[in-house]
Amino acid sequence: DTGVSQNPRHKITKRGQNVTFRCDPISEHNRLYWYRQTLGQGPEFLTYFQNEAQLEKSRLLSDRFSAERPKGSFSTLEIQRTEQGDSAMYLCASRSGGGTPGSRSYNEQFFGPGTRLTVL
Amino acid sequence: GQQVMQIPQYQHVQEGEDFTTYCNSSTTLSNIQWYKQRPGGHPVFLIQLVKSGEVKKQKRLTFQFGEAKKNSSLHITATQTTDVGTYFCAGGSNAGGTSYGKLTFGQGTILTVHP
Repeated sequence: DTGVSQNPRHKITKRGQNVTFRCDPISEHNRLYWYRQTLGQGPEFLTYFQNEAQLEKSRLLSDRFSAERPKGSFSTLEIQRTEQGDSAMYLCASRSGGGTPGSRSYNEQFFGPGTRLTVL
Repeated sequence: GQQVMQIPQYQHVQEGEDFTTYCNSSTTLSNIQWYKQRPGGHPVFLIQLVKSGEVKKQKRLTFQFGEAKKNSSLHITATQTTDVGTYFCAGGSNAGGTSYGKLTFGQGTILTVHP
């Protein structure tokens, strides 16, 4: 257990429905990432928050996807009008950003267990 | 955009044999990280390399970062059944002057170890 929690762990939905996932990072971590991982692939970056500010979004993140981190603590990822191609594991990771650039503590990302989405 | 390629995709070894996975980036990296993901699990950080030509060891694992900071390798000596999993390299970039810690992951190498 890394200290990053994600809910729900599994979500099955019908095509066209909206879904929302939650990530609770390690409490002192001000940086939060969302990734998507499909079978046989590495995690793909979706978006990044520093505190409550969303500083970067991948081009993979279509307008059906939105992410928030309203108080700089937990984050939510919402997918509207889900499609079968959205089926994947959605991973959240956090890091502190503290320490010396290049040190382990500066860059190590702690991943949560993920939310597995299945769109029927 | 930045691409990170990793080979081989699969590696089957007998327990006690060595294992190596290779990672190559299309662009120069600021750092490279390695993660291990057990079946059904999530990526777990192993190590970070920052300096050109850097070599780091963790018990039976040896990590290298190329001189040009575009490639890396992970070598496991005398594999054990506990080494089973998928090993990912992940490249960090400071392109454009930003350093958000965004990682570009390789496809991973799935290691199976036969006892």
